[in-house]
Amino acid sequence: VQLLESGGGLVQPGGSLRLSCAASGFSFSSYAMNWVRQAPGRGLEWVSVISDGGGNTYYADSVKGRFTISRDNSKNTVYLQMNSLRAEDTALYYCARGGWKVTASMGQWGQGTLVTVSS
Amino acid sequence: ETVLTQSPGTLSLSPGERATLSCRASQSVSSSYLAWYQQKPGQAPRLLIYGASSRATGISDRFSGSGSGADFTLTISRLEPEDFAVYYCQHYGYSPYTFGQGTKLEIK
Repeated sequence: VQLLESGGGLVQPGGSLRLSCAASGFSFSSYAMNWVRQAPGRGLEWVSVISDGGGNTYYADSVKGRFTISRDNSKNTVYLQMNSLRAEDTALYYCARGGWKVTASMGQWGQGTLVTVSS
Repeated sequence: ETVLTQSPGTLSLSPGERATLSCRASQSVSSSYLAWYQQKPGQAPRLLIYGASSRATGISDRFSGSGSGADFTLTISRLEPEDFAVYYCQHYGYSPYTFGQGTKLEIK
């Protein structure tokens, strides 16, 4: 199982960024996928989850209306579109595999991609 | 939103000792949807326990989870040097899923 995040970088406040997470080594279309972030020196914050087929999505209140999770099962990839970025969105963003249900723990994690929001 | 409060914030113990970490929820959480993760510096988190008491694949039987309702516990018997890390609880029964703030387990 491998999860490889990409797309992080430096962006100005109010800007946008799209993160990608390429999955391999398992049947991607059978699993819900999550994004979790960790601000520098801080704890974990769950961001969003998408069901195996993509029909159900859920978000943390802190990102609702600004972030959009999506997936392309033909490419084994999950995305996080981040708009209206704020300084407090600065964090290491992890992609994590859930289970066959949306309500599942996260058994596999990527190494993360760093997003820095600063002028 | 369910707030998870972990205690203590920092736990100082010696190898060979037993560690007891607490996670208290602001409202009742189904034990089917409570997990514990371990995170070491510079590494991604690792799932230890799901469903409050089931060990994830490959996790040592020195790790055990228990609890129900709003009170959950992670116990590590006979601490090994590699167990010193930060531990997080998480509920995932309904959105928004939330993590506790973490307990740092440090070597005394």
